[in-house]
Amino acid sequence: GAGVSQSPSNKVTEKGKDVELRCDPISGHTALYWYRQSLGQGLEFLIYFQGNSAPDKSGLPSDRFSAERTGGSVSTLTIQRTQQEDSAVYLCASSSGQGNEKLFFGSGTQLSVL
Amino acid sequence: QKEVEQDPGPLSVPEGAIVSLNCTYSNSAFQYFMWYRQYSRKGPELLMYTYSSGNKEDGRFTAQVDKSSKYISLFIRDSQPSDSATYLCAMRKGGGNKLTFGTGTQLKVEL
Repeated sequence: GAGVSQSPSNKVTEKGKDVELRCDPISGHTALYWYRQSLGQGLEFLIYFQGNSAPDKSGLPSDRFSAERTGGSVSTLTIQRTQQEDSAVYLCASSSGQGNEKLFFGSGTQLSVL
Repeated sequence: QKEVEQDPGPLSVPEGAIVSLNCTYSNSAFQYFMWYRQYSRKGPELLMYTYSSGNKEDGRFTAQVDKSSKYISLFIRDSQPSDSATYLCAMRKGGGNKLTFGTGTQLKVEL
């Protein structure tokens, strides 16, 4: 596909379960970002990848959150022992390089923790 | 206090109106300024990007930056129902790699 693809589009889970969210960026894009969007909170930065490395993890809210990127392409965001406050839309974006302002976003994963 | 402040709205205007959307910021380290548009259940898409203080025009859209006042604006002329969306300002620090977003302003353009 031509755009950023995220799966699943919706995820409902029970409190305490682990979830994995997937992002498939635009082919050739070296930079990849994860953001979280909650009602009234705007987009909250989580983590930035350049290639396979993550030089900026400063936005991860707790050690229950982790992310990896393999082969300079697909990324997964894992949330362990989910809590109700983790409910949000998780957005992935990619760009062609460092400092590039044109981020291409996926449609997000709506996570609901019951 | 958030680094970037944006009125969440909602803002409702009649078709054809001029719309003014604004953000203020507190950190003078922000050097690059953007406006993204987000339709319901979609990811944001870049509308405008500016670096220096002043105006930048693209069709019906004008982005304005006033670094001395730490204030940015987006103007939409001849607004259309298809402009109904949430508009997010975003900014990046010089040498930084992540964007800091405002909370977004929900705009509805009515027929």
